[in-house]
Amino acid sequence: ETGVTQSPTHLIKTRGQQVTLRCSSQSGHNTVSWYQQALGQGPQFIFQYYREEENGRGNFPPRFSGLQFPNYSSELNVNALELDDSALYLCASSLGGNSANYGYTFGSGTRLTVV
Amino acid sequence: TQLLEQSPQFLSIQEGENLTVYCNSSSVFSSLQWYRQEPGEGPVLLVTVVTGGEVKKLKRLTFQFGDARKDSSLHITAAQPGDTGLYLCAGTGTASKLTFGTGTRLQVTL
Repeated sequence: ETGVTQSPTHLIKTRGQQVTLRCSSQSGHNTVSWYQQALGQGPQFIFQYYREEENGRGNFPPRFSGLQFPNYSSELNVNALELDDSALYLCASSLGGNSANYGYTFGSGTRLTVV
Repeated sequence: TQLLEQSPQFLSIQEGENLTVYCNSSSVFSSLQWYRQEPGEGPVLLVTVVTGGEVKKLKRLTFQFGDARKDSSLHITAAQPGDTGLYLCAGTGTASKLTFGTGTRLQVTL
């Protein structure tokens, strides 16, 4: 059973650029959630995808967007990057659209630095 | 907005000592989860507590959910260097998201 894999592991972008982060969910999981974790803080919920549809969104601007594919992998896209977008971006997979009670499996994250 | 405050923020103790981490909120949660995160890694689920007053034990770790389902605690007995990490509590509500706490960074030295 494979876990959650994220790519790339590290990324440096310039302010104003666009970035795409990728996530492969754990085998058998159909739900993917994305979180942003700033240095020294707890993760903040960005959005969740369940069966290719957005299933909840946190307090992030529209320049944060996502996709889920038929194989349940997912992408996080961020447009017009700002310095404050520098953070660890975590992907988590789970089974079921409202499966938060059952716990998530997290990937190791993508460390994004915006300069 | 649901918020979870953890205390203490930082804890540095010696091997063999006991410690307790607290997770408090003014909101009611359906369940409370505890995760441990090591540098360069994602959080790893330790436990989920669902029922008010519930106590769960995982080897030297004891987790308790408050009676009103607004708070939780994590107690570690005889801490070891391998317990070092960032401990995060996370609550679930009616929405599909996890609301994470502010985190407690624990360092256990020999």
